Amino acid sequence: KAGVTQTPRYLIKTRGQQVTLSCSPISGHRSVSWYQQTPGQGLQFLFEYFSETQRNKGNFPGRFSGRQFSNSRSEMNVSTLELGDSALYLCASSDQGAGNTEAFFGQGTRLTVV
Amino acid sequence: AQSVSQHNHHVILSEAASLELGCNYSYGGTVNLFWYVQYPGQHLQLLLKYFSGDPLVKGIKGFEAEFIKSKFSFNLRKPSVQWSDTAEYFCAVNAKSNYQLIWGAGTKLIIKP
Repeated sequence: KAGVTQTPRYLIKTRGQQVTLSCSPISGHRSVSWYQQTPGQGLQFLFEYFSETQRNKGNFPGRFSGRQFSNSRSEMNVSTLELGDSALYLCASSDQGAGNTEAFFGQGTRLTVV
Repeated sequence: AQSVSQHNHHVILSEAASLELGCNYSYGGTVNLFWYVQYPGQHLQLLLKYFSGDPLVKGIKGFEAEFIKSKFSFNLRKPSVQWSDTAEYFCAVNAKSNYQLIWGAGTKLIIKP
């Protein structure tokens, strides 16, 4: 079956702009988690959606938001981009939640803010 | 707040050497524990996990990890590494009271042929 698909793979944006990233989970998975990955920092949890509801949220400013659609596809949005938002954004798909079962990751979207 | 500590950020070994990567977490309750691996140019994938039962768990590619509750540790081991084990390894912990996965900073492992 198809894996987790994240689009786009690469993005270059200017400070102050906003950006929307997309994640299509594995068919049948209801949980989508988002992470920010930067060198030396590991993965920082952004939020998790399960059946269209945000179940948990990490310690990121309100500029970071997300949503999940009825087909489990998820989007995350970052408004008023800052240079420090440059990172690899990863999406993970699982059937019950990344903390309770194996999570399957996409290739990520590399965001560069200039 | 919960945290996960991976003691070594970079490890360089020769082929056939034994490997042990440390992982410690701070949380007093019941946890689920994971090791994920990211090979160069590939996405993160699960190496092994511990939810309950035998504290010595075996994963893919000859890796194993031991959960020592009294030490809040979940160290990853492999008796004899191969060049193909070159990758970044992440330890992750979930407190069973919530759905959040907390990650260590990762250990970059380089195996010299």
